[in-house]
Amino acid sequence: ILNVEQSPQSLHVQEGDSTNFTCSFPSSNFYALHWYRWETAKSPEALFVMTLNGDEKKKGRISATLNTKEGYSYLYIKGSQPEDSATYLCAFEGPTGTASKLTFGTGTRLQVTL
Amino acid sequence: SAVISQKPSRDICQRGTSLTIQCQVDSQVTMMFWYRQQPGQSLTLIATANQGSEATYESGFVIDKFPISRPNLTFSTLTVSNMSPEDSSIYLCSATRGTSYNEQFFGPGTRLTVL
Repeated sequence: ILNVEQSPQSLHVQEGDSTNFTCSFPSSNFYALHWYRWETAKSPEALFVMTLNGDEKKKGRISATLNTKEGYSYLYIKGSQPEDSATYLCAFEGPTGTASKLTFGTGTRLQVTL
Repeated sequence: SAVISQKPSRDICQRGTSLTIQCQVDSQVTMMFWYRQQPGQSLTLIATANQGSEATYESGFVIDKFPISRPNLTFSTLTVSNMSPEDSSIYLCSATRGTSYNEQFFGPGTRLTVL
């Protein structure tokens, strides 16, 4: 059974604060690490797909890094805004083929207040 | 990207009844999946919906409990049978155009409460 863990479980920050959270995953049989943002009553939205060790990706104020050797990824949000309030999910993808699957963490619930 | 809709968006059901959830994609996709998120748990894959054949179920999920249909490339249904309170979850449909799991698109989910 794959173990994908996210921390913290929840986070409450004020508008303008920068924040980050962690996804840890198995360092063996790695193919990709996915980040999603899931707002209440909406579809999970893909943020990043990361495949290479040392990868850094950026989308506006959100960025992510990847360390496949030690099995972790960080998601950073710079200058948090209320619209960033959502649950952020990471998902581990194993090698390609019919056996590959997305294994999700439990998510980090972010709440940004004024 | 693909736009995925689900019906119903939420429902409250009685123990012992069944509910069928519909998933519609706005364009043809290769693979469709059904996930469940129980309260406080991670999003868990139930099965891969295969067009014109039986779905492929993950460990811990069986066809009698979660029958799935996929009659064409844009539509699938998931039935939650003989429901119990433990089935209270968010059920999500997803799809991808490729043969890998990159760019997997999700529906908005069906929030099910079983009394």
